[in-house]
Amino acid sequence: DVKVTQSSRYLVKRTGEKVFLECVQDMDHENMFWYRQDPGLGLRLIYFSYDVKMKEKGDIPEGYSVSREKKERFSLILESASTNQTSMYLCASSGQGEVTNEKLFFGSGTQLSVL
Amino acid sequence: QKEVEQDPGPLSVPEGAIVSLNCTYSNSAFQYFMWYRQYSRKGPELLMYTYSSGNKEDGRFTAQVDKSSKYISLFIRDSQPSDSATYLCATAVGRNDYKLSFGAGTTVTVRA
Repeated sequence: DVKVTQSSRYLVKRTGEKVFLECVQDMDHENMFWYRQDPGLGLRLIYFSYDVKMKEKGDIPEGYSVSREKKERFSLILESASTNQTSMYLCASSGQGEVTNEKLFFGSGTQLSVL
Repeated sequence: QKEVEQDPGPLSVPEGAIVSLNCTYSNSAFQYFMWYRQYSRKGPELLMYTYSSGNKEDGRFTAQVDKSSKYISLFIRDSQPSDSATYLCATAVGRNDYKLSFGAGTTVTVRA
């Protein structure tokens, strides 16, 4: 069974802290994504990566960075957490070839609260 | 203005009813249209995928796309309590378009 695993289900951090969200997929997918999901706004793409060490900005990259040192792992970093980064963070992956980009496999999400 | 607008809901229907979910979009370049289903405390999962205008049926689910009016619909026939979830529409320009545009989601509750 395919799996995208996010390291934490709930996370509470203080303003100004550096926060790491980890995501691991076991499907050997090339593409990995970080989204945030907010009520009324839907899913918004923060960053994505189509290969190891490659990354591209999404629609809302400000205040975030990412790291992809291994194919199966994609990390989202909040350099200095702020209260407006309180959100549900969803990691996703997808493969190349006949599995097109629209078929995203999502993790269960990390609900981050920044106090 | 968001690229994809989705009827906000929530919707509450009795078991067996037809559920109708709708989205509109603004970018005429969108060619790929998807519906994702998200259960509570879970990530979204792909439910339906269509290319260009037309209908696609999969069991009790029918996805419709009308590109002339930029309208996307999902119909659920004979709805079941297990269909209770949030449904998200999504669009993409091309097959290798990494940036999907998502609607905000409609939460559906099917009452037994």
